[in-house]
Amino acid sequence: AQKITQTQPGMFVQEKEAVTLDCTYDTSDPSYGLFWYKQPSSGEMIFLIYQGSYDQQNATEGRYSLNFQKARKSANLVISASQLGDSAMYFCAMRGGNNAGNMLTFGGGTRLMVKP
Amino acid sequence: KAGVTQTPRYLIKTRGQQVTLSCSPISGHRSVSWYQQTPGQGLQFLFEYFSETQRNKGNFPGRFSGRQFSNSRSEMNVSTLELGDSALYLCASSLTGVTNQPQHFGDGTRLSIL
Repeated sequence: AQKITQTQPGMFVQEKEAVTLDCTYDTSDPSYGLFWYKQPSSGEMIFLIYQGSYDQQNATEGRYSLNFQKARKSANLVISASQLGDSAMYFCAMRGGNNAGNMLTFGGGTRLMVKP
Repeated sequence: KAGVTQTPRYLIKTRGQQVTLSCSPISGHRSVSWYQQTPGQGLQFLFEYFSETQRNKGNFPGRFSGRQFSNSRSEMNVSTLELGDSALYLCASSLTGVTNQPQHFGDGTRLSIL
């Protein structure tokens, strides 16, 4: 069975500073994908970044980067230069190998609050 | 390019009733998945449809069902509603559903059971 753990229920960060949101995962599939989503208070889930289990380099998308440590089974999201609009819930998710279909397993989320 | 569209946005029902939620995926996307989000259980996978066939199913009772049409639009039905079915129901689409394709979510349908 797959499992995603996000140990930080809530975090504060000062505007313009960088912040790291933690995510650890557990799976027996050799092939898997890791995703981060942002959910503002309005409810929609916004895709941020993807990391494949066989990718050699850490993924980056603008201000978002993923610190992927495969041996430790961690996939932390780093947001650089935080903005007020970054205040939201952040979810780490995993899609397993072929046997898992297209199912995403989500962590419990981290609520990020950016202070002006 | 239009995103994933879910209708209605809000719904209020009473116990025992049934409800149908609709999801139109991004044009060209053939995989549609449904998730339930509650404060207590978090985000949980309901099922996935691809080319009108249910390809994967989560651990939910048979009261929860779905279908997909030839144009990839999907509907989810919940019968005999219970108070615990109050949740945000999210639909997500992807091209074919392979590992490296992100799922793109709609705004959700917020269902309240009285």
